[in-house]
Amino acid sequence: GENVEQHPSTLSVQEGDSAVIKCTYSDSASNYFPWYKQELGKRPQLIIDIRSNVGEKKDQRIAVTLNKTAKHFSLHITETQPEDSAVYFCAGYSGGGADGLTFGKGTHLIIQP
Amino acid sequence: ETGVTQSPTHLIKTRGQQVTLRCSSQSGHNTVSWYQQALGQGPQFIFQYYREEENGRGNFPPRFSGLQFPNYSSELNVNALELDDSALYLCASSLYGTMVGELFFGEGSRLTVL
Repeated sequence: GENVEQHPSTLSVQEGDSAVIKCTYSDSASNYFPWYKQELGKRPQLIIDIRSNVGEKKDQRIAVTLNKTAKHFSLHITETQPEDSAVYFCAGYSGGGADGLTFGKGTHLIIQP
Repeated sequence: ETGVTQSPTHLIKTRGQQVTLRCSSQSGHNTVSWYQQALGQGPQFIFQYYREEENGRGNFPPRFSGLQFPNYSSELNVNALELDDSALYLCASSLYGTMVGELFFGEGSRLTVL
């Protein structure tokens, strides 16, 4: 089955700086890679996703890049703000519609004022 | 449009007991999946229900079982509770046929097993 590794486990950046979180996956058949943000005590919420036929996707201050050859993908947050503080999870999906996502262990992003 | 709702939000059980968690899917969604999130970890896929049948399962033992009802709501049942079952149980709904990643999660049910 799929295995997703995520790092770093904790990332502290100054407000206004950029943050990068990286994930690797094991199953070359994986074709969908979402990123979820989870604030303390809240539900995970999808912030951006990318499919295997695309190398990069942007949505305002957030971007995701995918390198299929190396089997890794990254989340980039620019101009970080205090409300970006949360735990971020990457995930991969390789099933045929009836399997679940495989999540990484999460990155605790801390935005320092 | 109502979101995914789960009940109860918190509960405490003792080892060996049984628990039932409930989930109402988001309006218009016909597929429900359940995830277990241990403290400090990412969610782990338990199983998925579509048309009232389990149609996908992660690496969880048979004592984890579920149901889906005609209105697409769902239950997660866990028998013979173990200490390691203590976790946040997340329900997510989606529309079958779309990519599975487009999940809408509920706030979860936090289970503590003593």
